[in-house]
Parts: sequence; structure tokens; C-alpha cells
Amino acid sequence: NAGVTQTPKFQVLKTGQSMTLQCAQDMNHNSMYWYRQDPGMGLRLIYYSASEGTTDKGEVPNGYNVSRLNKREFSLRLESAAPSQTSVYFCASSRGLAGASSTDTQYFGPGTRLTVL
Amino acid sequence: RKEVEQDPGPFNVPEGATVAFNCTYSNSASQSFFWYRQDCRKEPKLLMSVYSSGNEDGRFTAQLNRASQYISLLIRDSKLSDSATYLCVVNNFNKFYFGSGTKLNVKP
Repeated sequence: NAGVTQTPKFQVLKTGQSMTLQCAQDMNHNSMYWYRQDPGMGLRLIYYSASEGTTDKGEVPNGYNVSRLNKREFSLRLESAAPSQTSVYFCASSRGLAGASSTDTQYFGPGTRLTVL
Repeated sequence: RKEVEQDPGPFNVPEGATVAFNCTYSNSASQSFFWYRQDCRKEPKLLMSVYSSGNEDGRFTAQLNRASQYISLLIRDSKLSDSATYLCVVNNFNKFYFGSGTKLNVKP
């Protein structure tokens, strides 16, 4: 039981390049989330998905797109990377449906460390 | 105003000390509450849920005061291995709001 997995673990991009961060969970969770974490800023929600085929913006969605491919997988795409997107990106999942009353907790993947030059 | 606010610390304590962290949250409709632990350059991991009646897990005690919108974490008999950042987390309809974390350094 792997929990939440993310690929790649590390990535260096040049300004303007594109890339997709992959995330998968094997816990049959309904909701999935993408966060970024910058020093002193805490975790900020980029996008989330309550179920397959639905996605919603979080606090800092600009410059990102997401795709909930199926119940297991939720990818984050940077179309034209900028130095301001240098960060650690975490994917997370929870059992409950985003938007529904819940006492559920979240489980995190190991993170992707992205540097944009 | 931030959804969840915490004192960033750092708290520098000797081994064996008792240390307490607090956080406040802004949305009175929030449903559930947690403390997570995050080690340097690692993902956050659930430490414990927080209940209104207060709950304990070994050396860790968590408390929730809904009227004051305040959450606390008490660590007794601190160990070197407790050194980490502690994140206060609030669940509001399955959207999770994180404090920026309180850093704890336990020294020999």
C-alpha cells in the first residue's frame, strides 16, 4: 500500500519550459489536492478535485492547470514555467468529497522540488 | 485575515521540557481540526486529531476551544526526535487550511 506517490522528486526547468507533475493515490479517496510550500508561507492550495472529472481553483491557481484523469490520478501542469514557481509541490488526498461536511484528514505525497531558472 | 494563525517560533527547549503551541482559526463553521508534524524537506504527516473534549496520545495532548476558535498542542517530556515544525490544520468542508507552522528545536 503506497499511499500517495508523486513523480518526479526533483526537477529543474528553464523559464518558459512546460512540465507535468504526476500524483497517484491507492486509498480509493475521493478528493485530491495540489499545494505549494514556500519558506515562511506555509502550504497554499493551488487546485483541488472533489471527484473524477471535477476540479476547482484554490488560493493560488494562476500559472497552473490540473487534470483529474481518474479516481487515482491528479496531475498538475505548468504551461510556461516562471522563477516565481520555484517551490516544493505536494499532492494530497482525503476520503471525503471536497465541499461536503467532513471529519476526514489528508494524506500527503513526498513532494516534488521544482527549481525554475 | 488568514484562516489559521500560528506563532512561527522557534521554540528552543531542553530535553525533558514541556512545551505548548497554540493556533487560532477564523471560520467558526470549521468541522475538524488536526495537528500535523513536518520534518525538514519532508511531507506533512498527521500527528493527531483534535477534539473538543481534549485528547491525549502518549506525551501529546491536544485541545480545542470552539468558543474562542483556539487549538492547542502540549508536548510533555520533550525528546530530541520531537524537533520539527508543527502545523495546525482546519478542515472546512474538505478544504484544508494550514497554519504556517511552529518550529520546535529540542536541545540536549
